[in-house]
Amino acid sequence: GAGVSQSPSNKVTEKGKDVELRCDPISGHTALYWYRQSLGQGLEFLIYFQGNSAPDKSGLPSDRFSAERTGGSVSTLTIQRTQQEDSAVYLCASGLSGATYNEQFFGPGTRLTVL
Amino acid sequence: KQEVTQIPAALSVPEGENLVLNCSFTDSAIYNLQWFRQDPGKGLTSLLLIQSSQREQTSGRLNASLDKSSGRSTLYIAASQPGDSATYLCAFKAAGNKLTFGGGTRVLVKP
Repeated sequence: GAGVSQSPSNKVTEKGKDVELRCDPISGHTALYWYRQSLGQGLEFLIYFQGNSAPDKSGLPSDRFSAERTGGSVSTLTIQRTQQEDSAVYLCASGLSGATYNEQFFGPGTRLTVL
Repeated sequence: KQEVTQIPAALSVPEGENLVLNCSFTDSAIYNLQWFRQDPGKGLTSLLLIQSSQREQTSGRLNASLDKSSGRSTLYIAASQPGDSATYLCAFKAAGNKLTFGGGTRVLVKP
């Protein structure tokens, strides 16, 4: 079956511009996560959605970052007024539910480069 | 702060040798630990998931152990092949349901 998909695969933008990154989770998965992978920081958690519950935004690095999940499926991560330190690979993952025993399955990522 | 350490950071072995990758974590109250493989420019592929109540999991040539009391997990890859060359990441899930990742071990298996 189809895995987690993300678009675009690569995004180059100029400093100060806004970007939107999209994630399509595995069908039927109610848990959705965003992570960021950068050279200096490794892989770090950004935000977690579980069903209709309020998202866990504790990993978002600044108020320039926001995410939404419409209809409990597709999610969009928005970065406003991008900075060069936002350059990283943004990874999305989904899980059957947020239950502690469930695996997370990752998408291929979006490589963001801010010039 | 929860931390995950992976040693070594890089490893090069001849084809056929067994691989031993180490992962240590500071939070013993984990729910589970997951091992991933990442190829250059790609996302993460889940290899094995060990629940906190389990001691090990096996899949083919892969075996992962978990010792919560000492805060360690080990991934064994038997009879390594060039196709095993990749970066291997461990991550644990604790309160909050997010994964906390180690820095990874970059493996090169030479033919």
